[in-house]
Amino acid sequence: AQKITQTQPGMFVQEKEAVTLDCTYDTSDPSYGLFWYKQPSSGEMIFLIYQGSYDQQNATEGRYSLNFQKARKSANLVISASQLGDSAMYFCAMREQGGGADGLTFGKGTHLIIQP
Amino acid sequence: DAGVIQSPRHEVTEMGQEVTLRCKPISGHNSLFWYRQTMMRGLELLIYFNNNVPIDDSGMPEDRFSAKMPNASFSTLKIQPSEPRDSAVYFCASTLGVQGAGIRTQYFGPGTRLLVL
Repeated sequence: AQKITQTQPGMFVQEKEAVTLDCTYDTSDPSYGLFWYKQPSSGEMIFLIYQGSYDQQNATEGRYSLNFQKARKSANLVISASQLGDSAMYFCAMREQGGGADGLTFGKGTHLIIQP
Repeated sequence: DAGVIQSPRHEVTEMGQEVTLRCKPISGHNSLFWYRQTMMRGLELLIYFNNNVPIDDSGMPEDRFSAKMPNASFSTLKIQPSEPRDSAVYFCASTLGVQGAGIRTQYFGPGTRLLVL
């Protein structure tokens, strides 16, 4: 079973609109972290935002926020006031603290295209 | 501040040749990860080191792949002999892992784009 599911392979959004990128995860570990990374066409992986499983509040970083719904195992990324430079692949990833493996498990990504 | 540094950025080689990818983690980070990204399999962890010691290499596809971390500021991923199916982008990432300190963010290098002909 997939541990990270991103159900939107691609999205087209008008500039200045808000965007929600979906991510659901599967874990039995009570302690875990969820990450979002951006990969523009140039290829680098850029860290955007992090949410810990015990965090009481949803994470925010500038125009990025994470809609964390623990009971639903959902960690959607919200981008407010989208810009042309937001066009990229977006990956949701998880790190389970108790699993013994420190690496990240990634979803398949969502290709976001911002249209002028 | 310098981020994770990888070299080369691009590598084109012929099947059967040895390929060595290099990584310099962020200064002060003690955990280093090698990932591979392909269209078919997405991003997958190959191996990671903690304090220069390999902890989990279960993601290394086969014996043709090997990784070393001789010191805290340098790691290599070697493929010998290379095959066309090894063509991918190889990322190195690092973080500061402290026991009991929770989960830390991994910062990625720019990647090495490998093409095996």
